[in-house]
Amino acid sequence: AQSVSQHNHHVILSEAASLELGCNYSYGGTVNLFWYVQYPGQHLQLLLKYFSGDPLVKGIKGFEAEFIKSKFSFNLRKPSVQWSDTAEYFCAVTRRDDKIIFGKGTRLHILP
Amino acid sequence: GAVVSQHPSWVICKSGTSVKIECRSLDFQATTMFWYRQFPKQSLMLMATSNEGSKATYEQGVEKDKFLINHASLTLSTLTVTSAHPEDSSFYICSARSGEGGGNEQFFGPGTRLTVL
Repeated sequence: AQSVSQHNHHVILSEAASLELGCNYSYGGTVNLFWYVQYPGQHLQLLLKYFSGDPLVKGIKGFEAEFIKSKFSFNLRKPSVQWSDTAEYFCAVTRRDDKIIFGKGTRLHILP
Repeated sequence: GAVVSQHPSWVICKSGTSVKIECRSLDFQATTMFWYRQFPKQSLMLMATSNEGSKATYEQGVEKDKFLINHASLTLSTLTVTSAHPEDSSFYICSARSGEGGGNEQFFGPGTRLTVL
């Protein structure tokens, strides 16, 4: 069965630190990949997505992710985090016209 | 981006009563809508997939007689929790996917917090 693994359940960083959140998936064939963010008290928002083309994807708010097919990975990165990045981050994968499978989420806490 | 609304945003009900939650796509037509359940500090669990005009497809372990889903139009899907009990208390989230060149992106509603007393 397809699954999505997020390695870090809870990450604590200081402002201006660099961020990398790991995401691996188990699904053969062509996939679509997503990172969603859920700020405290708000609903899920799309950060970025990969469908095809350049495996380095730029998203909103300075986030980027790199799709490495050979490693079945789609790690999320940001060179310098801000306090406002405190949120929960979900990696998700789906095949075309199939349902989205979410990872368990990573809770990111940025210290001011 | 596309907007999905849910109503109500929160509801408190007595055990044994039924509760209906609405999910609307406000500025696009959603051929497919999804219903999720999110427990505190956990990920979203897909409950069912609903296509306009047809019966919903439920995930394993989800009681279809308890969680009734109707997708009568391209902009509205409803989830009815029948004979709710305290263990049904949760955060219910819907999402909608456009069938017109929207790729596979889903747009999420703000969620409905259900508390069953």
